[in-house]
Amino acid sequence: NAGVTQTPKFRILKIGQSMTLQCAQDMNHNYMYWYRQDPGMGLKLIYYSVGAGITDKGEVPNGYNVSRSTTEDFPLRLELAAPSQTSVYFCASRRQGLIYGYTFGSGTRLTVV
Amino acid sequence: DAKTTQPNSMESNEEEPVHLPCNHSTISGTDYIHWYRQLPSQGPEYVIHGLTSNVNNRMASLAIAEDRKSSTLILHRATLRDAAVYYCIPTGNQFYFGTGTSLTVIP
Repeated sequence: NAGVTQTPKFRILKIGQSMTLQCAQDMNHNYMYWYRQDPGMGLKLIYYSVGAGITDKGEVPNGYNVSRSTTEDFPLRLELAAPSQTSVYFCASRRQGLIYGYTFGSGTRLTVV
Repeated sequence: DAKTTQPNSMESNEEEPVHLPCNHSTISGTDYIHWYRQLPSQGPEYVIHGLTSNVNNRMASLAIAEDRKSSTLILHRATLRDAAVYYCIPTGNQFYFGTGTSLTVIP
């Protein structure tokens, strides 16, 4: 059981470039989330999904897109990278139900220069 | 969603107990209270959760007020490895982590 796997772990992008952050979970969790964490700050929700084919915006969705074609995968797409998107990105998943907590991935550290 | 209030930072001496408070006065009756911690350069990890009764596990204890408007995470003997940011999250607020409490453990 690998849990939540994020790739890559580190990436440097130039302004205007695009990339996809990958997130996969093998726990058959319905709910998946993308957060970003700026230095010294808390986590901010970017997008979330409650099941395959269903996605919704969080607090800070601008500049990002997501898709959820399978239960296992929830990629985050950055179009036209900007320095403000320099951050650590965390993917998380959980089972449906208020009693269940999150399992987080180890994060992707992204720098836009 | 229930809003939470936690102190920005706390300090503890090593080997002493630590009580980390959280106010969640707008919590609904069905919301569980989850606690997570984030070690430096890592993703958050689950610590403990509860609904109404106090809870214990190998990592910590959770004391929930009778009116459920507040809770306290208790680390019985703080170690240097417990230095982290601790987040309190009622599940009605399940999407939002806030800034948590940064715990410093003094050797």
